[in-house]
Amino acid sequence: QKEVEQDPGPLSVPEGAIVSLNCTYSNSAFQYFMWYRQYSRKGPELLMYTYSSGNKEDGRFTAQVDKSSKYISLFIRDSQPSDSATYLCAMSYYSSASKIIFGSGTRLSIRP
Amino acid sequence: DVKVTQSSRYLVKRTGEKVFLECVQDMDHENMFWYRQDPGLGLRLIYFSYDVKMKEKGDIPEGYSVSREKKERFSLILESASTNQTSMYLCASGPSGSTDTQYFGPGTRLTVL
Repeated sequence: QKEVEQDPGPLSVPEGAIVSLNCTYSNSAFQYFMWYRQYSRKGPELLMYTYSSGNKEDGRFTAQVDKSSKYISLFIRDSQPSDSATYLCAMSYYSSASKIIFGSGTRLSIRP
Repeated sequence: DVKVTQSSRYLVKRTGEKVFLECVQDMDHENMFWYRQDPGLGLRLIYFSYDVKMKEKGDIPEGYSVSREKKERFSLILESASTNQTSMYLCASGPSGSTDTQYFGPGTRLTVL
């Protein structure tokens, strides 16, 4: 069993829709939770970062962590075609600059 | 502005060749990482380094070695390239002891024929 599970998609939604991306994990020792966005032929870039449980909001993006269920989510409101990318969840035991375990990524496409 | 650069975007090599992939960061980060990314498998850690001349094996170190002679530079070496090492290779760096993140380079797509 993988430490981090993520549905690969692809996920296709119309512009303006709310997008929900999710990951589950098996190790309760994870403390730091991240979402990376990766455009085609580019390296991943950090989108959202949270420590322990709770919600964090940044513009149209909201990250949620439920440690009791070992489940993390990323919500994108008012989705735009420019949000089309692969989204990777990631988590770490220590600081987010140490060893990170990545999900396999969900490919998202926003239809104009 | 944060910058991680990798020596090549695309590379084609033959089986058995020795391959060097170079990564340079300009952020004075202590930590540097090499990953490979394959469809359906996500990012897998090959090696990482917490300081100059220090290295630690990641999850899939077999067939690879690394070198870190200077803080800003981290090299990945394929001693004898094989076709199953065809992949996207991503370098990342990050500061130690903080809640900052890893910054990734653009990647090198390596094809081994």
